[in-house]
Amino acid sequence: QKEVEQDPGPLSVPEGAIVSLNCTYSNSAFQYFMWYRQYSRKGPELLMYTYSSGNKEDGRFTAQVDKSSKYISLFIRDSQPSDSATYLCAMRNISNFGNEKLTFGTGTRLTIIP
Amino acid sequence: DGGITQSPKYLFRKEGQNVTLSCEQNLNHDAMYWYRQDPGQGLRLIYYSQIVNDFQKGDIAEGYSVSREKKESFPLTVTSAQKNPTAFYLCASMGWRGGTYEQYFGPGTRLTVT
Repeated sequence: QKEVEQDPGPLSVPEGAIVSLNCTYSNSAFQYFMWYRQYSRKGPELLMYTYSSGNKEDGRFTAQVDKSSKYISLFIRDSQPSDSATYLCAMRNISNFGNEKLTFGTGTRLTIIP
Repeated sequence: DGGITQSPKYLFRKEGQNVTLSCEQNLNHDAMYWYRQDPGQGLRLIYYSQIVNDFQKGDIAEGYSVSREKKESFPLTVTSAQKNPTAFYLCASMGWRGGTYEQYFGPGTRLTVT
């Protein structure tokens, strides 16, 4: 079983819809949770970063963490064609000083249909 | 890409040749990372470095080598011992600025070995 599971999609939704992207994880030592957006043939871009259970909002994006269920989500409101990309979740723990490895999900490919 | 560069963008090599991928950052970040991205597998960690002159193996270090002689630079050598070197290679740096967590990826190098 992978430490981080993410549905690879592809996911297609009409413009203006609310998008929900999800990851589950098995390692309870994960303390920090990230969402990245990656356009085709580009490096990932950090969108959201959270370290506690609950919601964090940034513009049209909301990151949600439920540590008790080991489940994280990214919501995109009023989705735009420019949101079409692959979205990756990532997690990290600090098991000892300086050890800050990230574990990534496989990514979900999202297409927003105009 | 937030002050982190990778070169070249595309690289072609014959089997049996070593090749070095460049990664430079001007963000004053202590930590730098090399990932490999293959279709359907997400990002996998090759090597990481938390400070100059120190680096650690990631999950798939076999066939790769790195150096960290300067804070700004973290080159990756793909050796002939790497069984399946064709992939998209991503470098990242990570640090804190004014209490805010920062992480940036470079634009990536697509390596093709034939």
